[in-house]
Amino acid sequence: GEDVEQSLFLSVREGDSSVINCTYTDSSSTYLYWYKQEPGAGLQLLTYIFSNMDMKQDQRLTVLLNKKDKHLSLRIADTQTGDSAIYFCAESTGGYQKVTFGTGTKLQVIP
Amino acid sequence: DAGVIQSPRHEVTEMGQEVTLRCKPISGHNSLFWYRQTMMRGLELLIYFNNNVPIDDSGMPEDRFSAKMPNASFSTLKIQPSEPRDSAVYFCASSKPPGSPDTQYFGPGTRLTVL
Repeated sequence: GEDVEQSLFLSVREGDSSVINCTYTDSSSTYLYWYKQEPGAGLQLLTYIFSNMDMKQDQRLTVLLNKKDKHLSLRIADTQTGDSAIYFCAESTGGYQKVTFGTGTKLQVIP
Repeated sequence: DAGVIQSPRHEVTEMGQEVTLRCKPISGHNSLFWYRQTMMRGLELLIYFNNNVPIDDSGMPEDRFSAKMPNASFSTLKIQPSEPRDSAVYFCASSKPPGSPDTQYFGPGTRLTVL
């Protein structure tokens, strides 16, 4: 079955860049996503990338996709304390819309 | 749009009691998902529905758990009898019809504590 893995924890200093990594196993993934979960809240979509793309940039966020290695990363430039949250990588193959989520990476931003 | 609505937001109950969690998806969304989140196991998909029909319930832990979607605007997740190990945050999410990215919109969650 599908599997999505992430490191559990990342700590960065305010103003630095954060890079959160993810690996997945399903080669038929159509969409790959990054979700953010703030304390006490549900997950919220940050961005997504279609599987035929290598990169997507959205303001401070850059998503890189290496389809050959099944590796996805999220770079947050100029990380702020408000970026502290849990970040989930996810993938889907479309069709029945089932999305497989990773374990989540807790990002801690040190002032 | 009000987003996905879940109730109650917090539930504290005693072992053996029945618990019912409720969800109202975003209008026009035809898929609904129930997840459970714990520190130990992370985010787990319990069951999901397409057009009110259960598609995959392989994540439902055991027979004590049941879910229904009687119409497009309402779903319930029931635990009977509840056990302390069921303590978790339960999320409901809904998504748009096929043809678009499978973006899921999450509710705020129900924090369940079983004593």
